[in-house]
Amino acid sequence: GAGVSQTPSNKVTEKGKYVELRCDPISGHTALYWYRQSLGQGPEFLIYFQGTGAADDSGLPNDRFFAVRPEGSVSTLKIQRTERGDSAVYLCASSLGPVYGRMNTGELFFGEGSRLTVL
Amino acid sequence: RKEVEQDPGPFNVPEGATVAFNCTYSNSASQSFFWYRQDCRKEPKLLMSVYSSGNEDGRFTAQLNRASQYISLLIRDSKLSDSATYLCVVNPGGGYNKLIFGAGTRLAVHP
Repeated sequence: GAGVSQTPSNKVTEKGKYVELRCDPISGHTALYWYRQSLGQGPEFLIYFQGTGAADDSGLPNDRFFAVRPEGSVSTLKIQRTERGDSAVYLCASSLGPVYGRMNTGELFFGEGSRLTVL
Repeated sequence: RKEVEQDPGPFNVPEGATVAFNCTYSNSASQSFFWYRQDCRKEPKLLMSVYSSGNEDGRFTAQLNRASQYISLLIRDSKLSDSATYLCVVNPGGGYNKLIFGAGTRLAVHP
């Protein structure tokens, strides 16, 4: 499909386990973002990639969270030693590159999310 | 204080009603503003950008007041299909789309 694809759509794990969440952005979008959305809240910024590099990881809550984008396309969000408080929907979004000029409207295109439940 | 604050609602209105949502933001240096719509258990999608001059898209009108750091969305002639959560969104700048989302306002339109 032409949209942002995220897998798995649902993940149930036990406290202390390791999880990986995958995002495949829209073809041609160099910018990729991870957000986290808890129940009743808006999406919360985690990390931004421009190409292969993490240009802004200021939203990652602690060092248990890590994300990579080795070839500048697919990205993986990795969570170590999961805790019950990590339960949320993890949203990936992509957009055209940096906001220069008029081509980039500021719109983010989101995937449907990966719903993580930590028991 | 949250960076973007919205009334969570829910707003329960009959079809055909006019409804207005408001939002305030704390960072006076914020550069661009949006309303996103999110259906239940779906991803957020851009509804419209918001400009100081005010802008309209069909039944939807958005307004920005930079002096008051206030954003509004007006929906006229509400439809059942307008039922969703409306997220107020701010881009603080920096050359990329690091969007800051409010918690959203829920709208339920009934027959």
